[in-house]
Amino acid sequence: KQEVTQIPAALSVPEGENLVLNCSFTDSAIYNLQWFRQDPGKGLTSLLLIQSSQREQTSGRLNASLDKSSGRSTLYIAASQPGDSATYLCAAPHSGGYNKLIFGAGTRLAVHP
Amino acid sequence: DTGVSQDPRHKITKRGQNVTFRCDPISEHNRLYWYRQTLGQGPEFLTYFQNEAQLEKSRLLSDRFSAERPKGSFSTLEIQRTEQGDSAMYLCASSLGGGRHYGYTFGSGTRLTVV
Repeated sequence: KQEVTQIPAALSVPEGENLVLNCSFTDSAIYNLQWFRQDPGKGLTSLLLIQSSQREQTSGRLNASLDKSSGRSTLYIAASQPGDSATYLCAAPHSGGYNKLIFGAGTRLAVHP
Repeated sequence: DTGVSQDPRHKITKRGQNVTFRCDPISEHNRLYWYRQTLGQGPEFLTYFQNEAQLEKSRLLSDRFSAERPKGSFSTLEIQRTEQGDSAMYLCASSLGGGRHYGYTFGSGTRLTVV
């Protein structure tokens, strides 16, 4: 059964810092992993989709890595800005079928000026 | 294409009333999913459709919940005899196949408050 854990649960940093958000999953037989951003009271915005054949995926100041063997993914945010304040969620496919995503509880990020 | 649309954005209802939410997926996506999210938690799977067929339902989907996707296009999620514990964000997502190549696209959600 796939389980996804995110650490830390919350993070507060000054503007300009580089950040690493961690995601671990129990079933490494995944074909991809997806990172989302969620603003308060809003839906989910897809940030990055990493295929199992890739080790990294980049979009602007965001870089996500995937290590299937260790069951870990990290989201790196460079030069953080107040506009990055949001909850970041990672999601992995459910074990045994490509019929749903399993989410972590998220990392709540606050970037202060 | 404008992405996944959900309506309404917010719904306040009295306990015991029935509510219905609508989701319009990305037109070329054949799979549609419903998730529920409570405060401070990640989204939890409720059910999914492939075209018009409902292929899986979570144990979270009690008999007061019903979902439909007539003609394989939009979907509705109905909650009968609402309870305060039903208060949550209801999220809809769609994907092409199982999301293997392009992942999932989520809507903006419907926030339900049961008073």
